[in-house]
Amino acid sequence: DPKIIQKPKYLVAVTGSEKILICEQYLGHNAMYWYRQSAKKPLEFMFSYSYQKLMDNQTASSRFQPQSSKKNHLDLQITALKPDDSATYFCASSQTGGAAEQFFGPGTRLTVL
Amino acid sequence: QQKVQQSPESLTVSEGAMASLNCTFSDGTSNNFRWYRQHSAKGLEVLVSIFSDGEKEEGRFTAHLNRANLHVSLHIREPQPSDSAVYLCAVSRAGGSNAKLTFGKGTKLSVKS
Repeated sequence: DPKIIQKPKYLVAVTGSEKILICEQYLGHNAMYWYRQSAKKPLEFMFSYSYQKLMDNQTASSRFQPQSSKKNHLDLQITALKPDDSATYFCASSQTGGAAEQFFGPGTRLTVL
Repeated sequence: QQKVQQSPESLTVSEGAMASLNCTFSDGTSNNFRWYRQHSAKGLEVLVSIFSDGEKEEGRFTAHLNRANLHVSLHIREPQPSDSAVYLCAVSRAGGSNAKLTFGKGTKLSVKS
């Protein structure tokens, strides 16, 4: 059974719209993360959460908003979508503590037209 | 800001020959180094983590770290066609809640039978 679930697997959106990417982990971890991988750039860190609290935000735009409704959920809301937002978004989780192994989900591939 | 560079961009080896991948980083205070493998359109699989200078072996995968030279490498013994994938180097400076991974662009490995 997959331990980190991301939904949907593929997502197509129009410019200016809003989408929510879902992430659930069943590893019992207290820390969760979002990373983005686009065609032109390496995998980039976006956010980290620990015990449902924001720990680090490396995303310049406020259009990206993580939402943690439960300890094992960290969704990503993206508003006013732009074509440059097209990328694969990966959720990851770990035990708390900076040295802990991060386990990655399968990703959501977002295409903005 | 941490910079992570990987070389070569792509590598083709014959089945059974050793494959060697390189990664350099810019922040000399980095203390966590991981190699991940990414098969096409899939999530990341951690292969080996190393935290101190020297060598760390996990099955057919061996990481070598030389922090003075800002260099970490991955050697794959007896590679198989199923090892064909993109290999990503990830570096962090773990401390407290800081768990941000900085990735290189990857090395695309092709193993020919």
